[in-house]
Amino acid sequence: NAGVTQTPKFQVLKTGQSMTLQCAQDMNHNSMYWYRQDPGMGLRLIYYSASEGTTDKGEVPNGYNVSRLNKREFSLRLESAAPSQTSVYFCASSYSLYSNQPQHFGDGTRLSIL
Amino acid sequence: AQKITQTQPGMFVQEKEAVTLDCTYDTSDPSYGLFWYKQPSSGEMIFLIYQGSYDQQNATEGRYSLNFQKARKSANLVISASQLGDSAMYFCAMAPRNQGGKLIFGQGTELSVKP
Repeated sequence: NAGVTQTPKFQVLKTGQSMTLQCAQDMNHNSMYWYRQDPGMGLRLIYYSASEGTTDKGEVPNGYNVSRLNKREFSLRLESAAPSQTSVYFCASSYSLYSNQPQHFGDGTRLSIL
Repeated sequence: AQKITQTQPGMFVQEKEAVTLDCTYDTSDPSYGLFWYKQPSSGEMIFLIYQGSYDQQNATEGRYSLNFQKARKSANLVISASQLGDSAMYFCAMAPRNQGGKLIFGQGTELSVKP
């Protein structure tokens, strides 16, 4: 059971480079999310997609863009990476955006910006 | 402001004993969900248990139970019969309905189980 799959698992970038983090889920979920986790902190929402064709900003969207490619895939793009974006990035999905639906997470992408 | 507070940065428990991890929340929304997640040292986030704000009974999932005290706005996680594999970070999270179900996380509690 794959669940939520994130690629890559690790990445090192130089300041100013761009890259896209990929996420795919095979649970037929409608809603998908991107979070970042900084040391000693809980997860903070970057962007989310309530359903295919929609995306919205979360708590910390600056410096990021997202694309909901189809129902399964939700990508996160850093256009010009900055050291402050060094973090662990998690993708998650849930059946819907209602408050009773648990979100299921991928294994995370560890991103370092030099 | 909508907020989750976990006041215990780290805790120790003896193997086979029970442990309670504290979580308090703040929201003006009468409808919300409360969740607990486990993050082992390998890094993945594992969903443990859910409690709805209108649920009359405390949620239970195997060795996990959620002590929900609505008037006190607390949602403590109780782990019974601790095992070495329970050593991990534990995050409490809230999804207020007026936030469209988006999760707000606490800062986490690191649990260490001693043999």
